Amino acid sequence: GDSVTQMEGPVTLSEEAFLTINCTYTATGYPSLFWYVQYPGEGLQLLLKATKADDKGSNKGFEATYRKETTSFHLEKGSVQVSDSAVYFCALNPRGSQGNLIFGKGTKLSVKP
Amino acid sequence: GAVVSQHPSRVICKSGTSVKIECRSLDFQATTMFWYRQFPKQSLMLMATSNEGSKATYEQGVEKDKFLINHASLTLSTLTVTSAHPEDSSFYICSARRAGGNEKLFFGSGTQLSVL
Repeated sequence: GDSVTQMEGPVTLSEEAFLTINCTYTATGYPSLFWYVQYPGEGLQLLLKATKADDKGSNKGFEATYRKETTSFHLEKGSVQVSDSAVYFCALNPRGSQGNLIFGKGTKLSVKP
Repeated sequence: GAVVSQHPSRVICKSGTSVKIECRSLDFQATTMFWYRQFPKQSLMLMATSNEGSKATYEQGVEKDKFLINHASLTLSTLTVTSAHPEDSSFYICSARRAGGNEKLFFGSGTQLSVL
């Protein structure tokens, strides 16, 4: 079945460091891909998404490119801030679904000043 | 942006009791709501999909008689864990899709259930 695999955390970085959180997926067809972020005490929020191959989603300095050839959707940010500390979830929405998502396990990011 | 309120955020109960978790869309109508469960170090797993005014659709392996879902209005869905046991201890989170909306989902902040 469809699945998402993302790198295990926790990830600890210093402020202004470069961030990569790897995400790969298994799916039939061409799913939509998402990154969600959950700040402490809050619900998941959509960070960015891509709906077809080679699309790049971007928001708040984060980017991820839909790579069909490597079935990947890695999250990157050039310079992280303390306020980026959160749990990040990679997810896919199989084509033709109602909108339910298949999630990875989440990666906790801690950014130190 | 759209807000989904989920209560309670944390609950501790004795084995054998029932626990109700509420999920409300505060500023939009949600025709579809989803309930997820996350065990420690595991993925968020979809438990069920509920559509307003109809019976919920449960994922394989989820007991519908144990996890009662009611979606009686366009702004409220409830999940009741009946006769909870320690193995039901988990993080439960709901999401809602706006009526007429696209793929975007709005999530509650989750409920941490601990059954003693």
